[in-house]
Amino acid sequence: QVQLVESGGGVVQPGRSLRLSCAASGFIFSNYGMHWVRQAPGKGLEWVALIWYDGSNKYYADSVKGRFTISRDNSKNTLYLQMNSLRAEDTAVYYCARGDFRVSSGWDLGNWGQGTLVTVSS
Amino acid sequence: DIQMTQSPSSLSAFVGDRVTITCRASQSISSYLNWYQHKPGKAPELLIYAASSLQSGVPSRFSGSGSGTDFTLTISSLQPEDFATYYCQQSYSTLLTFGGGTRVEI
Repeated sequence: QVQLVESGGGVVQPGRSLRLSCAASGFIFSNYGMHWVRQAPGKGLEWVALIWYDGSNKYYADSVKGRFTISRDNSKNTLYLQMNSLRAEDTAVYYCARGDFRVSSGWDLGNWGQGTLVTVSS
Repeated sequence: DIQMTQSPSSLSAFVGDRVTITCRASQSISSYLNWYQHKPGKAPELLIYAASSLQSGVPSRFSGSGSGTDFTLTISSLQPEDFATYYCQQSYSTLLTFGGGTRVEI
């Protein structure tokens, strides 16, 4: 079965960096686009970034563009999110999700990890 | 960016009730609309894709409808396990966006 396991969360000071990882198993990782989605405390879901199956295209929410970088290593079945210049408002649970692209309806997120908590605080 | 607005933001209901949640897009998105259920401490789950297609394994009491800018998620007979927060998400733009969520509680 599809399994996604995030890691790398923790407490970090404003302005510092952190890298999240998402280990995938149970499916052919290199065939799927992958997403990061976050949820700040008491808030709703916010889409963060998308990377195509081969890493050739990447897309970001305006709130993280220029600070976060999504990447993947298909040989290791692992997705990454490099987060630089972190701000208090980046505090959230970060989920990785497998994207299923349908020609008639675009991307949906059919499988999610359990999330990893990032806290940005001095 | 395409903005998604859900209503209500929360609702109270009883087991067995019919529940309807609405989602409005800031521009026409055809049927590029998905619905998710999210329980505290758990991973979100996809319920409906393409506005009205039921994801495999999801109970048939869940249904979706709509196209263009106005969409609806309906739970025909609310069950105890359905108390959760529900989100719509547009997939018309590659920059995905979610609605603010609807919390369904007793």
